Amino acid sequence: QKEVEQDPGPLSVPEGAIVSLNCTYSNSAFQYFMWYRQYSRKGPELLMYTYSSGNKEDGRFTAQVDKSSKYISLFIRDSQPSDSATYLCAMSGNAGNMLTFGGGTRLMVKP
Amino acid sequence: DSGVTQTPKHLITATGQRVTLRCSPRSGDLSVYWYQQSLDQGLQFLIQYYNGEERAKGNILERFSAQQFPDLHSELNLSSLELGDSALYFCASSVGLGGIYGYTFGSGTRLTVV
Repeated sequence: QKEVEQDPGPLSVPEGAIVSLNCTYSNSAFQYFMWYRQYSRKGPELLMYTYSSGNKEDGRFTAQVDKSSKYISLFIRDSQPSDSATYLCAMSGNAGNMLTFGGGTRLMVKP
Repeated sequence: DSGVTQTPKHLITATGQRVTLRCSPRSGDLSVYWYQQSLDQGLQFLIQYYNGEERAKGNILERFSAQQFPDLHSELNLSSLELGDSALYFCASSVGLGGIYGYTFGSGTRLTVV
């Protein structure tokens, strides 16, 4: 079993929909959580960063962490075709630990 | 521009050949990571360097090697290339040893082995 699990999709939604992307993890030491967005054939770019549990909002994006359930989510409101990309979750424990990535979820937002 | 520079952007070479991919990390970052991403696959971690020293190894083939130079740029050497080595190769950098502040990725090198 992988340390970080992510549904590969593809997830197809109509424009304007609310999108929920999720990751589950097994390592209880993880406390730094990130979401990356990767457009086709481009490098991943950091989208959201959260520490420990709780919610963080940035425009149309909300990151949510539930450490008790070992579950993190990224919500996208009013989704746009330009949001079509692969979304990767990533997480880390202590300062010396590397990031562990999920496999990514491919999102397609149809006009 | 993420601040992480990878060259070349595209590379086409024949089986059996050797290539070198280059990465300049973001200014101030001491860690460099190399990842391989095959078509429609996730990121596969290859190797990490921190301030010139190898820190961690992932699923890196023996035909592949890397190094980080005193100016902190890094090179990934791929030899005896096979068709299956065709992939996107990403370099990422971070300030410290680990990823608590996230990695910054370059735009990648697309390697095609024919």
